[in-house]
Amino acid sequence: LAKTTQPISMDSYEGQEVNITCSHNNIATNDYITWYQQFPSQGPRFIIQGYKTKVTNEVASLFIPADRKSSTLSLPRVSLSDTAVYYCLVGDRGTGFQKLVFGTGTRLLVSP
Amino acid sequence: EAQVTQNPRYLITVTGKKLTVTCSQNMNHEYMSWYRQDPGLGLRQIYYSMNVEVTDKGDVPEGYKVSRKEKRNFPLILESPSPNQTSLYFCASSPRTSATDTQYFGPGTRLTVL
Repeated sequence: LAKTTQPISMDSYEGQEVNITCSHNNIATNDYITWYQQFPSQGPRFIIQGYKTKVTNEVASLFIPADRKSSTLSLPRVSLSDTAVYYCLVGDRGTGFQKLVFGTGTRLLVSP
Repeated sequence: EAQVTQNPRYLITVTGKKLTVTCSQNMNHEYMSWYRQDPGLGLRQIYYSMNVEVTDKGDVPEGYKVSRKEKRNFPLILESPSPNQTSLYFCASSPRTSATDTQYFGPGTRLTVL
């Protein structure tokens, strides 16, 4: 499975847009990129998944450049409740996602 | 309500005393998995199961056993717990047939081995 690299932590203020970048230089052709969110003492929660270009849902957007060696999770107008750890995962939906590898994630702190 | 449940949520035990952490999902998911989470190490996969009677090791299987006799249940067994298994444990399930293959996590079990 492709290894991912994310910033350890980020700080933001309420109402700002937050962009968290994940590097996955060894991503394979069949790999998808998935982001999870985790609050303290809770299980991770799926946010968004994509393969290329841009994916948007009601929570976030995911931008993936043409070479797919990185991806950016964009959280529009964050609030205090977005304070959490965000994980970027890369794997093959057909065979690789059985063995998810979570890195240490990015700890996002949103302040008033 | 669709959910993954774990029991117990909190457990304090002593070294060597066998214990089982149960995991159950009501979504008819084929895939289930166990993770442990430790400070500074993120989540690490212990075991996973693609379907009934099909299990495989994750990244940190030593000291753990699992079984998948029914689709909905995936218990984690610690035959002889040791202090280094003190951790926060999460069970997860996935339909494996959805467009996103997302995993649904349980609320976690905080285990302390003295």
